[in-house]
Amino acid sequence: DAGVIQSPRHEVTEMGQEVTLRCKPISGHDYLFWYRQTMMRGLELLIYFNNNVPIDDSGMPEDRFSAKMPNASFSTLKIQPSEPRDSAVYFCASSPRAWQPQHFGDGTRLSIL
Amino acid sequence: SQQGEEDPQALSIQEGENATMNCSYKTSINNLQWYRQNSGRGLVHLILIRSNEREKHSGRLRVTLDTSKKSSSLLITASRAADTASYFCATDAGNQGGKLIFGQGTELSVKP
Repeated sequence: DAGVIQSPRHEVTEMGQEVTLRCKPISGHDYLFWYRQTMMRGLELLIYFNNNVPIDDSGMPEDRFSAKMPNASFSTLKIQPSEPRDSAVYFCASSPRAWQPQHFGDGTRLSIL
Repeated sequence: SQQGEEDPQALSIQEGENATMNCSYKTSINNLQWYRQNSGRGLVHLILIRSNEREKHSGRLRVTLDTSKKSSSLLITASRAADTASYFCATDAGNQGGKLIFGQGTELSVKP
């Protein structure tokens, strides 16, 4: 079991640049979640998918953020244009069914200069 | 707003002692889960307790749930330095379409 795989592990870029974070969920998991974690705000749910369909994107901070899940084995979270306040650790998680234990990737540490 | 609120925010103990962390929540739930996060890593699921259960054990972990008080506790017995991590509770907050609501976490430090 390879677990949830996120890439890149670290990303440092300048303000205004486009950032794309990638996630491969565990095979057979129907749910995929994107979270953001900061010291100030803790762990925030940004968006989640069920069977590749976005269910709730109310946590997405603003229109600069977008997420897609083109198939069951891949999802992206894009920030365009990026701002320093987007600096955080972004986690992807998957679960087999609703409300079941979630399996987290090791996150992408994003720094926007 | 966060559904789960952990208490205390930080806890420092000596190896061998027991560690107790508490979680309170606001709405009715189907289940409550506890997770651990080591520094620089993702969260790892520890244990799930359903709303009709009062207590559950897994190794050195003991979780209790009091739905009348809307609270849960996580007890780690005979703690080890390797238990040093942040611990989070998460609830389904009733019927919210499959997502979990995480609390702010308790940072546990176990000194050797």
